[in-house]
Amino acid sequence: GENVEQHPSTLSVQEGDSAVIKCTYSDSASNYFPWYKQELGKRPQLIIDIRSNVGEKKDQRIAVTLNKTAKHFSLHITETQPEDSAVYFCAASKGGGADGLTFGKGTHLIIQP
Amino acid sequence: DAGVIQSPRHEVTEMGQEVTLRCKPISGHDYLFWYRQTMMRGLELLIYFNNNVPIDDSGMPEDRFSAKMPNASFSTLKIQPSEPRDSAVYFCATGRGGQHYEQYFGPGTRLTVT
Repeated sequence: GENVEQHPSTLSVQEGDSAVIKCTYSDSASNYFPWYKQELGKRPQLIIDIRSNVGEKKDQRIAVTLNKTAKHFSLHITETQPEDSAVYFCAASKGGGADGLTFGKGTHLIIQP
Repeated sequence: DAGVIQSPRHEVTEMGQEVTLRCKPISGHDYLFWYRQTMMRGLELLIYFNNNVPIDDSGMPEDRFSAKMPNASFSTLKIQPSEPRDSAVYFCATGRGGQHYEQYFGPGTRLTVT
């Protein structure tokens, strides 16, 4: 089955700096790669996603890149703000929305004031 | 739309008791997923349904776990008998499938088995 590795497990950055979280996946058939943000005690919330026919996608301060050859994808957050502090999960799926997600173990992002 | 609705939000039970978790999907979503979150194992898929039919239950840990979706508006996840290692947050998520890839999570049920 699919295996998703996520690094780092904890990331501390100064407010205003950029943060990068990286994930690798094992199944070349995977075609959908969402990123979820989870605040303490809350549900995972989708913040951005990318499909396998696209190499990069951006939404304001958040961007995701995908390298299908190397089977890795990354989340980039620019101009970090205190409200960006949370746990971020990457995931992969073979069937788009018609398949279950395999999640990475999460990255605890800490924004230092 | 109220989003995905889960009940109860918190459940505390004793080992050996039966536990039933409930989920109401977003109207019009024909995919429903059950996930479990623990510190040790992270977020893991248990089972998912399409049009009320179970498609993949390979993530269900043991025969003590069962899930049903009797209609498009309701799904249950049952654990019988419950054990302390079943303590976790159980999330229901739903999606529309097709070209709509997004999955939307419910608020979760925090289960504690003592």
